[in-house]
Amino acid sequence: AQSVTQPDIHITVSEGASLELRCNYSYGATPYLFWYVQSPGQGLQLLLKYFSGDTLVQGIKGFEAEFKRSQSSFNLRKPSVHWSDAAEYFCAVGLNAGNMLTFGGGTRLMVKP
Amino acid sequence: GAVVSQHPSRVICKSGTSVKIECRSLDFQATTMFWYRQFPKQSLMLMATSNEGSKATYEQGVEKDKFLINHASLTLSTLTVTSAHPEDSSFYICSARSRVFANTGELFFGEGSRLTVL
Repeated sequence: AQSVTQPDIHITVSEGASLELRCNYSYGATPYLFWYVQSPGQGLQLLLKYFSGDTLVQGIKGFEAEFKRSQSSFNLRKPSVHWSDAAEYFCAVGLNAGNMLTFGGGTRLMVKP
Repeated sequence: GAVVSQHPSRVICKSGTSVKIECRSLDFQATTMFWYRQFPKQSLMLMATSNEGSKATYEQGVEKDKFLINHASLTLSTLTVTSAHPEDSSFYICSARSRVFANTGELFFGEGSRLTVL
């Protein structure tokens, strides 16, 4: 079965600083990869996704992620963090388009003024 | 487009009562709906997968008689927590897969429903 690891439970960055959230997955083939963001007490919003093509994908709110097959990683990045980016971020993996998603443990991002 | 609505967003009930949570896809047909449970400061745990017109498939360890899932139409799925107890208190989130985005695997999530059982 596939698994998803987000090594960092909490990350704190200063506003305006760059951000990288790590995500590693365990699966033999190339899975479908997603990053979702969750604000407190809310559902999940899709930031970006990868299932084929260019390994660097652009998402909403200035986020991007790069799929690296050799490292089984799909790290999320943002060049300049805004205070409104403070939230919980989840990486998710699906075996194929019709499969359910497996979520990582999440990374809570805090932004210092 | 691709909006999923959950209702109620918050519910408080007494122990022993049953609670129904609705999940609706507002502007698309949901071929498959998934129900997740999220404990405080934890990740989402898949409870069950439901396809329209068929019985839900439950994950290991999830009591099907406790968590009744009905997917009566392509736009509505319901989760009923029967004889709720305090340990059932949690944040329940539904998600739906659209025919339009079927090849991307993307899921669209509802806003979640917080259940508190006294």
